[in-house]
Amino acid sequence: GENVEQHPSTLSVQEGDSAVIKCTYSDSASNYFPWYKQELGKRPQLIIDIRSNVGEKKDQRIAVTLNKTAKHFSLHITETQPEDSAVYFCAASRTGANNLFFGTGTRLTVIP
Amino acid sequence: DGGITQSPKYLFRKEGQNVTLSCEQNLNHDAMYWYRQDPGQGLRLIYYSQIVNDFQKGDIAEGYSVSREKKESFPLTVTSAQKNPTAFYLCASSRRQGGSNQPQHFGDGTRLSIL
Repeated sequence: GENVEQHPSTLSVQEGDSAVIKCTYSDSASNYFPWYKQELGKRPQLIIDIRSNVGEKKDQRIAVTLNKTAKHFSLHITETQPEDSAVYFCAASRTGANNLFFGTGTRLTVIP
Repeated sequence: DGGITQSPKYLFRKEGQNVTLSCEQNLNHDAMYWYRQDPGQGLRLIYYSQIVNDFQKGDIAEGYSVSREKKESFPLTVTSAQKNPTAFYLCASSRRQGGSNQPQHFGDGTRLSIL
């Protein structure tokens, strides 16, 4: 089955700096890669996703890049704000599959 | 996503007891899912259902059971066979998975603890 590894497990940045979280996956058939943000005690919320037919996707301060050859994808948050502080999870899945395979999460702290 | 409601928010189970977690959605989604989240780990799939009256095991189904009698509802029972049930349980829903992946949207979760 799929194995998703996520790094780092914790990340602290100064407000206004950029944050980068990286994930690798093992199943070359995976082609859907969502990112979720989870605040303490709350539900994971989908913030961005990317499919394998594109290499990069942006939404305001958030971007995701995908390297299918190397089997890794990354989340980039620019101009970080304190409200970006949360745990971020990456995930991977095959087309039409029901099972999302999640990474172990990155706790991002943005220091004001 | 206010369309997915999980209850209760906190639940306590005694030894040998079965407990049922509720999940209701009004998003008109065909597919529903149950995940388990343990500290320091990602979410793991317990069961999923693509359509009413049908459901499939996920990666960690042992000790759990589900039913899908209505499109809106997908309750999860944690049975006494589940020896380590303490966790945060998340329900999700999506449009039916097909030729392209449909985003999954989560409820607020139920935190289950053992007395």
